[in-house]
Amino acid sequence: QKEVEQNSGPLSVPEGAIASLNCTYSDRGSQSFFWYRQYSGKSPELIMSIYSNGDKEDGRFTAQLNKASQYVSLLIRDSQPSDSATYLCAVRTGNQFYFGTGTSLTVIP
Amino acid sequence: DAGVIQSPRHEVTEMGQEVTLRCKPISGHDYLFWYRQTMMRGLELLIYFNNNVPIDDSGMPEDRFSAKMPNASFSTLKIQPSEPRDSAVYFCASSSRDRHNSPLHFGNGTRLTVT
Repeated sequence: QKEVEQNSGPLSVPEGAIASLNCTYSDRGSQSFFWYRQYSGKSPELIMSIYSNGDKEDGRFTAQLNKASQYVSLLIRDSQPSDSATYLCAVRTGNQFYFGTGTSLTVIP
Repeated sequence: DAGVIQSPRHEVTEMGQEVTLRCKPISGHDYLFWYRQTMMRGLELLIYFNNNVPIDDSGMPEDRFSAKMPNASFSTLKIQPSEPRDSAVYFCASSSRDRHNSPLHFGNGTRLTVT
């Protein structure tokens, strides 16, 4: 079983819609959870971090964490074509970071 | 803060040649990671250092790969001899120690092509 699992997609949403990205992890001892956005040919860029159960909002982005279910999600409201990218879920356990394989998102104008 | 700095940005070499990738982590970060990314395998951890000491190199694919961190501000990843299957984007990343909330900060990567 992989440490971190994501649906690879591709996920397509129309402009202005809500994009929902999901991630599960296997280690209950994991402490920190991150979402990275990676444009084609670029490096992963941190967009959200979450450490406690519940929701964390930052602009159009909302991260949700449920440690009991070992589940992390990212919601992107009012999706824009510029949000089209691959989104990587990352989990920190101790000093190790585990990444999912990424979900490719396309926002259709 | 200049961020994580990698060089070169692109490297094209012939099979059998030695390749050296370089990384300068963010000042004050005690952890340094080397990743490789391909379409087929995604992001793979090769090795990571804590306070310049290699902690886990189980991701290094074979003896052709080696990594060093002679001081807190510099690390190298060397491939000798290089093979076409080593073609990938190699990322260096750094993070703070003892702050379990600290994220990973990536450099811009080195795109390696071995012909």
